Amino acid sequence: GAGVSQSPSNKVTEKGKDVELRCDPISGHTALYWYRQRLGQGLEFLIYFQGNSAPDKSGLPSDRFSAERTGESVSTLTIQRTQQEDSAVYLCASSLRASGGGTDTQYFGPGTRLTVL
Amino acid sequence: DAKTTQPNSMESNEEEPVHLPCNHSTISGTDYIHWYRQLPSQGPEYVIHGLTSNVNNRMASLAIAEDRKSSTLILHRATLRDAAVYYCILRPYSGAGSYQLTFGKGTKLSVIP
Repeated sequence: GAGVSQSPSNKVTEKGKDVELRCDPISGHTALYWYRQRLGQGLEFLIYFQGNSAPDKSGLPSDRFSAERTGESVSTLTIQRTQQEDSAVYLCASSLRASGGGTDTQYFGPGTRLTVL
Repeated sequence: DAKTTQPNSMESNEEEPVHLPCNHSTISGTDYIHWYRQLPSQGPEYVIHGLTSNVNNRMASLAIAEDRKSSTLILHRATLRDAAVYYCILRPYSGAGSYQLTFGKGTKLSVIP
């Protein structure tokens, strides 16, 4: 079946512009996660959605970052007034349901590479 | 936070077994040990996870020390497609931080033809 898809695959923008990144999770997955990965670094959690519950936004680095999810489908991550330090690969993952570390496997999309000039 | 320590890099010859070590001396009783890998220019991919007993699946085996302070991911026959960065992470069964993945720098595995 189809995996997690993300678009665009690459995005180059100028400092100060807004960008919107899209994630289509695996059908039937109620949990959706956004992560950021800077060049040569590990994974940095940004936000997660579980069904209709309020999202956990604890990882968002500033109020320039926001994300929305429509029901249990598509999610968009928006970065306003982009800065050069926002340059990174933004990864989306989904899982059947958000649960503890013993039962939840996350499936990742290919990521969106964002470059802010 | 429970943390893991992995070698920065390892090399293996193709079709030979690979043992990737991970130390987690501060692991708590409810932490699960997970392994993910990331091939070049791709998103991370789940490999295997376990709690106390050794685990096998079609991708790999996970050997967990009796005191759970270390574990080893075993690839039985390395292929060129296994060249990736391998991440060993601890995830609490429940509560804060149980659902998000936090990767360090992992071990970069190179496979020599």
